[in-house]
Amino acid sequence: AQKITQTQPGMFVQEKEAVTLDCTYDTSDPSYGLFWYKQPSSGEMIFLIYQGSYDQQNATEGRYSLNFQKARKSANLVISASQLGDSAMYFCAMREGGSQGNLIFGKGTKLSVKP
Amino acid sequence: NAGVMQNPRHLVRRRGQEARLRCSPMKGHSHVYWYRQLPEEGLKFMVYLQKENIIDESGMPKERFSAEFPKEGPSILRIQQVVRGDSAAYFCASSPVGPTEAFFGQGTRLTVV
Repeated sequence: AQKITQTQPGMFVQEKEAVTLDCTYDTSDPSYGLFWYKQPSSGEMIFLIYQGSYDQQNATEGRYSLNFQKARKSANLVISASQLGDSAMYFCAMREGGSQGNLIFGKGTKLSVKP
Repeated sequence: NAGVMQNPRHLVRRRGQEARLRCSPMKGHSHVYWYRQLPEEGLKFMVYLQKENIIDESGMPKERFSAEFPKEGPSILRIQQVVRGDSAAYFCASSPVGPTEAFFGQGTRLTVV
């Protein structure tokens, strides 16, 4: 079974609008962390935001926020006020507490921001 | 504080040659992870190392691939007798102790011709 599922292969959003990228996860470990990374066409992996399983509040970093719904096992990324430079691949990833720390990645969502 | 440094950024090897990929973690980070990304795919875990120790190599192919993180110097991912299927982007990430954010290098793009 997939540990991380990103159901949207591609998304379009109008510049200055908000967009939500979906991510669901599957784990039986009570301790885990959820991550979002951005990969622009240049190829590097850029860390965006982190949510721990015991964190009470949703993580926020500037225009990025993580909509963490633990009971539904979802960790959607919300990007507010989209910019052209947000066009990229976005990967959701999970680190399980008992896994020695390696990340499990989803297949990614390609976001295109339209002017 | 320099980020995770990988070199080379691009590497071309002929079939049968050896590829050596280097990764210097962020200052203060003692945990290093290697991942492989095939075209149009997410990253797949390969190996997790701490200084002088391999902690988890469950994602490493059984043959031709090896990794080390010596007491001094960068972590090295070594691929012997490369084949075309080894063509991919190889990323290194480092993190401090504990399940916090992992920072990635810019990757090495290996092309086997």
